[in-house]
Amino acid sequence: DIQMTQSPSSLSASVGDRVTITCRASQTIRTYLNWYQHKPGKAPNLLIYAASTLQSGVPSRFSGSGSGTDFTLTISSLRPEDFATYYCQQSHSNPLTFGGGTKVEIK
Amino acid sequence: QVQLVESGGGVVQPGRSLRLSCAASGFTFSSYGMHWVRQAPGKGLEWVAGIWFDGSNKYYADSVKGRFTISRDNSKNTLYLQINSLRAEDTSVYHCAREVRRDFDYWGQGTLVTVSS
Repeated sequence: DIQMTQSPSSLSASVGDRVTITCRASQTIRTYLNWYQHKPGKAPNLLIYAASTLQSGVPSRFSGSGSGTDFTLTISSLRPEDFATYYCQQSHSNPLTFGGGTKVEIK
Repeated sequence: QVQLVESGGGVVQPGRSLRLSCAASGFTFSSYGMHWVRQAPGKGLEWVAGIWFDGSNKYYADSVKGRFTISRDNSKNTLYLQINSLRAEDTSVYHCAREVRRDFDYWGQGTLVTVSS
């Protein structure tokens, strides 16, 4: 199974900050990497697919990069509605696996 | 608009069975692969099972293989998850999700399964 490791597991940031979350795969997954935002009690929301493609309707302050084993999600200027937990997910091979999550909290 | 609504959760004793449902609307259900993803209290997301658009192929996480069965009824636009021999570690919110490119573009809000005696 492909293990996905996210860092940090949590971070505190202020509105307007630039935030970067990293995700590392235990083996190469090319660009089969997706990012989700999840708020408590809500349905998760797809932000980025294929490592760097912005899902329709997602604000352009979100961006993704990387290939192979190392990936990043960047929020260019944090908004109040961005405080949530973010997950990466590999879609290279079964079983599909998620990273452990990064909780973005208000400083 | 696309809607996925899960139901069937509740409090269940260890060893019992439960069937979860996911009612889909707003899209051509029979054209999409579908999945179940769960989240235990205080934990992250865990993929559980997936099924092809026509039900011809199904696949499972190792942690649930042999106990969980995913199925679908395309005439009813409904996805199911049969859970047998429930264990305490199955306590989770169970989300259904629509697959596109093996990512999940729409999710339901989930149904809570609590395994407790």
